[in-house]
Amino acid sequence: SQTIHQWPATLVQPVGSPLSLECTVEGTSNPNLYWYRQAAGRGLQLLFYSVGIGQISSEVPQNLSASRPQDRQFILSSKKLLLSDSGFYLCAWSSRDRPYEQYFGPGTRLTVT
Amino acid sequence: KQEVTQIPAALSVPEGENLVLNCSFTDSAIYNLQWFRQDPGKGLTSLLLIQSSQREQTSGRLNASLDKSSGRSTLYIAASQPGDSATYLCAVRDTGRRALTFGSGTRLQVQP
Repeated sequence: SQTIHQWPATLVQPVGSPLSLECTVEGTSNPNLYWYRQAAGRGLQLLFYSVGIGQISSEVPQNLSASRPQDRQFILSSKKLLLSDSGFYLCAWSSRDRPYEQYFGPGTRLTVT
Repeated sequence: KQEVTQIPAALSVPEGENLVLNCSFTDSAIYNLQWFRQDPGKGLTSLLLIQSSQREQTSGRLNASLDKSSGRSTLYIAASQPGDSATYLCAVRDTGRRALTFGSGTRLQVQP
């Protein structure tokens, strides 16, 4: 069966510090991968998606970037965090056969102080 | 631009009640609609997915309906239990787009 992992589970970082969040998927090959952010009191917003290694599309302009160095690894990064980057970050995947159904990871709670 | 609204934002009911959560969307050109459950501090669990050609889907005590022309979906929970307490999110996938557009959710509390 397929599983999706995210780490760390929680993170507190000062403004201006770098960020690296990792997401890995097991039990499937060549998945579509997604990064979402859930800010306090707001709905989830898609940040990035990837259809393959090195292929990243951004949905909204922001202070963040994403990379996919391996087939089942998706990384969310920032060189300098802003207060507004605080939120709950969720990684998701979908299969090539059923791209319309996304499965979500446990999330990372990021607090920028 | 698609917008998804969920009403009510919060709901508290006694155990055993049947309840309805509402979701509306502004652009009816959707590919599908999905209902998720989110427990505090946790990821999302998919509950039901309705394709644009379908009217409803059922899973156990859950029933989701879709009226694409009016831009509405409802999630019906029968015989609610304290374990149903969570935030319920509605999300639509527009035709030709990869992104899901989420509502802000309904926070449900079922009192024992």
